[in-house]
Amino acid sequence: ILNVEQSPQSLHVQEGDSTNFTCSFPSSNFYALHWYRWETAKSPEALFVMTLNGDEKKKGRISATLNTKEGYSYLYIKGSQPEDSATYLCAPSYGGSQGNLIFGKGTKLSVKP
Amino acid sequence: DGGITQSPKYLFRKEGQNVTLSCEQNLNHDAMYWYRQDPGQGLRLIYYSQIVNDFQKGDIAEGYSVSREKKESFPLTVTSAQKNPTAFYLCASSSLGTSISGANVLTFGAGSRLTVL
Repeated sequence: ILNVEQSPQSLHVQEGDSTNFTCSFPSSNFYALHWYRWETAKSPEALFVMTLNGDEKKKGRISATLNTKEGYSYLYIKGSQPEDSATYLCAPSYGGSQGNLIFGKGTKLSVKP
Repeated sequence: DGGITQSPKYLFRKEGQNVTLSCEQNLNHDAMYWYRQDPGQGLRLIYYSQIVNDFQKGDIAEGYSVSREKKESFPLTVTSAQKNPTAFYLCASSSLGTSISGANVLTFGAGSRLTVL
């Protein structure tokens, strides 16, 4: 069973703080890395999909990087806002484009106004 | 608006009863998935289907059954054989393709919470 680790498990920050969290995953036979944001009482929503070593994606104040050789991805949020409060899930896939996602336990972010 | 509809949102079941969770999508996606979430754990894959009339077991298929008679629908039955069925269940769908850009990105439903009394 592949192990996907996300840290920290939870994070409390003040509005305006910048923050980052980590996703670690086995690098062997890696294909793609997905990030999802899951707000309370809503459906998880896709943020990024990355495949190449060194990939960097950005969406507004949120960005992500990928290191496929060492098996990790960072998610950064610049100037956190209360609406960023959510659980952030990472999910690598393996073995090709049809490989299923393996989800980490998530990082729960709370942003205080 | 396109999306995924799961029903019911909340469901209570007595031990020994089978229960079916509904999942319908109007996104014209080829693939559909069922995940289970338990406290302190990541989403775990129960079953998935990439084409009508075909489906495969995920990591925790024991005690569950599915069908895919229509592209839009992928109901999940939690049978009495499932030892610990109380959980939150998420349905998802995705398009399939050879290009990584957008391929296999999951669209999720809002979930169904099953409680066994």
